[in-house]
Amino acid sequence: ETGVTQTPRHLVMGMTNKKSLKCEQHLGHNAMYWYKQSAKKPLELMFVYNFKEQTENNSVPSRFSPECPNSSHLFLHLHTLQPEDSALYLCASSQEAGGGYEQYFGPGTRLTVT
Amino acid sequence: QKEVEQDPGPLSVPEGAIVSLNCTYSNSAFQYFMWYRQYSRKGPELLMYTYSSGNKEDGRFTAQVDKSSKYISLFIRDSQPSDSATYLCAMTLNGNNRLAFGKGNQVVVIP
Repeated sequence: ETGVTQTPRHLVMGMTNKKSLKCEQHLGHNAMYWYKQSAKKPLELMFVYNFKEQTENNSVPSRFSPECPNSSHLFLHLHTLQPEDSALYLCASSQEAGGGYEQYFGPGTRLTVT
Repeated sequence: QKEVEQDPGPLSVPEGAIVSLNCTYSNSAFQYFMWYRQYSRKGPELLMYTYSSGNKEDGRFTAQVDKSSKYISLFIRDSQPSDSATYLCAMTLNGNNRLAFGKGNQVVVIP
């Protein structure tokens, strides 16, 4: 679990707040991912970064804004969220972005929007 | 039709029983098949990984892929209380980074 760390682990925010989620990987990987995990639903891929470049935005609303300053760090900036955005947000990394590369997940940030 | 179908359970079994989990999928182009285990308040961790059809065994765990039926399975022999977790199946195309996940199946092993 220490390979991919996420902070904070829990976050409660109002709909008018601005907050950021942070992810750091210590595995020397070049690809990083944001996923959303909601109860009774499959994991939803949100964003993919490969060598710091965003390669996929899975039709995510603009109130979620990712940032990848280097291959080890990934942020998810949040603003004017909705209650339905409450979920577990998972960060993952892999050697590269491509089929066959194992993805390692962090423990997630449990987000509650009030 | 959902891309990946997985019965969310929960599935309760006595300690020592065989746990059988499965997923069906609709995209015949999927080539890589994975099973992740997720403990409560933790992120998913890769448990088994299979390329194309066939069986793979790792200790008490066996993964099977039947591409002709678009069906994958995970078997856990001699189940232990520590196996209590949610198991997610996932699959992807060759050379594509997008993993398609099932909803996850909660397993409870009763001592």
